[in-house]
Amino acid sequence: EAGVAQSPRYKIIEKRQSVAFWCNPISGHATLYWYQQILGQGPKLLIQFQNNGVVDDSQLPKDRFSAERLKGVDSTLKIQPAKLEDSAVYLCASSLVGQPQHFGDGTRLSIL
Amino acid sequence: ELKVEQNPLFLSMQEGKNYTIYCNYSTTSDRLYWYRQDPGKSLESLFVLLSNGAVKQEGRLMASLDTKARLSTLHITAAVHDLSATYFCAVVTRGGGSEKLVFGKGMKLTVNP
Repeated sequence: EAGVAQSPRYKIIEKRQSVAFWCNPISGHATLYWYQQILGQGPKLLIQFQNNGVVDDSQLPKDRFSAERLKGVDSTLKIQPAKLEDSAVYLCASSLVGQPQHFGDGTRLSIL
Repeated sequence: ELKVEQNPLFLSMQEGKNYTIYCNYSTTSDRLYWYRQDPGKSLESLFVLLSNGAVKQEGRLMASLDTKARLSTLHITAAVHDLSATYFCAVVTRGGGSEKLVFGKGMKLTVNP
């Protein structure tokens, strides 16, 4: 079974620039999650999708972050404009409903 | 709001020794996960604990759950270098029709030869 695919693996940008991350979940997984993991901390949920609908985005900084999952499969997470405090690893996970989450390798974002 | 606390946050131990790490959480939950993360890698699921008194073991690691005390433990038996990693507990919280994980800060384990 192919795992959760994320790209790019690394991204370096300057503050105030824009950046986008891509996630392809495990085939058949209806639920998709985006997490932010700041160095030295546990992952924090940013947004959760069920198919192509948003279930929870209560911790997503909506003034600068956006995410979509248009066809209920792939998803993109965008930051515009980026701030220094957005430096983190962005993890995508997917699951069957009510089942354990499977995580991708993440995108490591550095803001200069 | 659910809070998850792990302790210790850092542990350096010698090979062959035993140790227990703790995960406390602040509100009722019926499911708890333990994950392992190696540097630069993603999270690997170790255990899912579903009920009070649940105990699971895999190799040198054993996890247990006490839902009444809101406490989970991860016991390490006869540690080996390969166990060096960061270990997270994550607790399920439900609300508004969704189920999500709240993670602790993680415990960085270093096992020295």
